[in-house]
Amino acid sequence: GAVVSQHPSRVICKSGTSVKIECRSLDFQATTMFWYRQFPKQSLMLMATSNEGSKATYEQGVEKDKFLINHASLTLSTLTVTSAHPEDSSFYICSAREAGEVNQPQHFGDGTRLSIL
Amino acid sequence: QKEVEQDPGPLSVPEGAIVSLNCTYSNSAFQYFMWYRQYSRKGPELLMYTYSSGNKEDGRFTAQVDKSSKYISLFIRDSQPSDSATYLCAMRVQGAQKLVFGQGTRLTINP
Repeated sequence: GAVVSQHPSRVICKSGTSVKIECRSLDFQATTMFWYRQFPKQSLMLMATSNEGSKATYEQGVEKDKFLINHASLTLSTLTVTSAHPEDSSFYICSAREAGEVNQPQHFGDGTRLSIL
Repeated sequence: QKEVEQDPGPLSVPEGAIVSLNCTYSNSAFQYFMWYRQYSRKGPELLMYTYSSGNKEDGRFTAQVDKSSKYISLFIRDSQPSDSATYLCAMRVQGAQKLVFGQGTRLTINP
C-alpha cells in the first residue's frame, strides 16, 4: 500500500516553457502532499506543503508565482514550474501522507528530472 | 549548525558485512524518526519508522533511537549489493508536518 505516483519522470524543454508535474496517491487519500527539490548528491529541500482545497504553504525563499501548486482532489497535487529557466533544472519529488493519519510517515513518488535547455 | 547531521560518506563495505549508519540532531523536540533508502534517480523509499526512543527490527534492518544522546542509527545485517544506495535519516516534531532530513549517506556494498 501507500503508493505515490509521479508523472512525468523526465522532462527536457526549452527555456521559457512552463512545465506541469503531477503527483497522485494511488491507494489512499492525501489531504496533504509535499513538494521537494533535490540537487545532485544533496538532500531533499522542502519547497511547499500542498493542502487539498486550500492554498499551498511555501518555504522561505521559494517563489510562489514561479512554482504554482494546485491540490484539487484528495489524490492529486500538481506543481507547475512557470517560465522555466536553466537554473530550475533539478530533481523534483513529491510525497503524501494518508488523510487523517497525522502521525504516519510520508511516502514519496519516484521524482521528476527536469532539464531546461 | 544543521538541525540534523549525517555523514555523507561515501561508505564502501564488502558483501555480508554489518553496516552502521548514523545521524545526530540538535532539536530535542523531535519525536518521529525515519530512515529512507534512495536509489539513483528514484524517490526515497521508507525503510523504518520509529516513535521516541528504542529499537525496531524489520528483517535485516534495525533502527535505534537514543533521545538522551540525540542519536539515531540504522544497522543493516548481511549486507547485499542491492543495498547500495543513499540512506537518508529524517525526523519531525509531534504535530508538525515538516520533515527535517539529513544529508544522506552514500553506501556501496561490494560483491
